[in-house]
Parts: sequence; structure tokens; C-alpha cells
Amino acid sequence: KNEVEQSPQNLTAQEGEFITINCSYSVGISALHWLQQHPGGGIVSLFMLSSGKKKHGRLIATINIQEKHSSLHITASHPRDSAVYICAVKVGNEKLTFGTGTRLTIIP
Amino acid sequence: GAVVSQHPSWVICKSGTSVKIECRSLDFQATTMFWYRQFPKQSLMLMATSNEGSKATYEQGVEKDKFLINHASLTLSTLTVTSAHPEDSSFYICSARDSGTAYGYTFGSGTRLTVV
Repeated sequence: KNEVEQSPQNLTAQEGEFITINCSYSVGISALHWLQQHPGGGIVSLFMLSSGKKKHGRLIATINIQEKHSSLHITASHPRDSAVYICAVKVGNEKLTFGTGTRLTIIP
Repeated sequence: GAVVSQHPSWVICKSGTSVKIECRSLDFQATTMFWYRQFPKQSLMLMATSNEGSKATYEQGVEKDKFLINHASLTLSTLTVTSAHPEDSSFYICSARDSGTAYGYTFGSGTRLTVV
């Protein structure tokens, strides 16, 4: 069983919809990362969280350490948000353990 | 912001040849570089961790003689796939530890390797 589980695996929504992607992990972590992988493969860091909530533009990330759960929200979704969103956790040292990603498609 | 430049972005090579992938940190010193491999529709798998001036630490199951990693300077790390085989075809991506950013890590743009 993967230490990092994401849901859903695939998500298709209409432009403008509110999007939620979930991440659950099974180990104690020092930080959780949300990443965006574009169709060409390049990866962009979106958030690094250790507690609470962060917001950047239309993106919001929350984490509940007690429940070992994090969510990534996208408000007013746009076709350019279409990408694979990856949750990764850092356990102790510098290594990251990655989820399998959520493929998001926003239809105009 | 912090940038890691990775080259080449894609490469096709013949079986038995070697391919070198470079990752350069452009505006910061990358004391630690992580190398990942990603097969289609799978998550990133850490191959090795390299620290400037020392030998890389390889993950279990990764052949160190096949995937040569060199981190000779604070701004350059290289991964050489030696005697490449078709099963080495994959997406390779590097990531640098950067305490100067809010995210902690900066990723390269990746290299798609196809061995024919």
C-alpha cells in the first residue's frame, strides 16, 4: 500500500467549477507538498505545508496533521489548470514520497 | 525565483550507448540534488540523492554502475545512463533542495529518454 494516497485519480470538470483534490498519508511527516505536473512533464511546486492553510491566487491548500489529510482546492477553475496534481510528503530527512497524482481536466 | 535547468528535454539513443542528463541550478547553490524516474501513469520514484563533492546515495534496486551520478559543483549535477536498454526508457527529472524558496524544492523540466 502506497504511503501517500490521492483521490480522485481522474477528475473532469467544467470551467468555473470548484475543484477539490484529496491526499491521505499513513506516516508522520515533517511537511507536505503539492506539485503540478504539466503535460510536457515539467513540475512546479505549488505549496509546502506543515500545518493549517495556505492560499496562492485561486489555489488553496489545507492540511490536518491529526487526520493525516490534505486537500488542494482550485476556485473558478480554468482550462489552463488542466494538469496532474501530485501530493508528496517529507518524512524526517529530505526524501519526498509521492502520490500517484490526480489528472485534472477542465472543459471550456 | 529559483530555477533548475535540465537538459536535454528529450533524447533518443540506441541500445548500448550512454546518455548524459544535466541539471544546473541557475541562481542558487544546490548542495543536494535528487534524481527521479517516472514511468507512464506512475508516481515519481527516487533513484538517488547526490551531495556536492561526495558520492551519491542510491535507493534500493537502483544500479549505481548503470546510473552514474556526478555532483562536482554546487550548481551542476549529472546523471549518465550507461549501456542503455529499452527498459531504461522513461522520464527522468531532477530536483534541488533550496532552502531559499518557500517550497523547499525546485524541479527541473525533465528528460524523456527513449532507447531504441
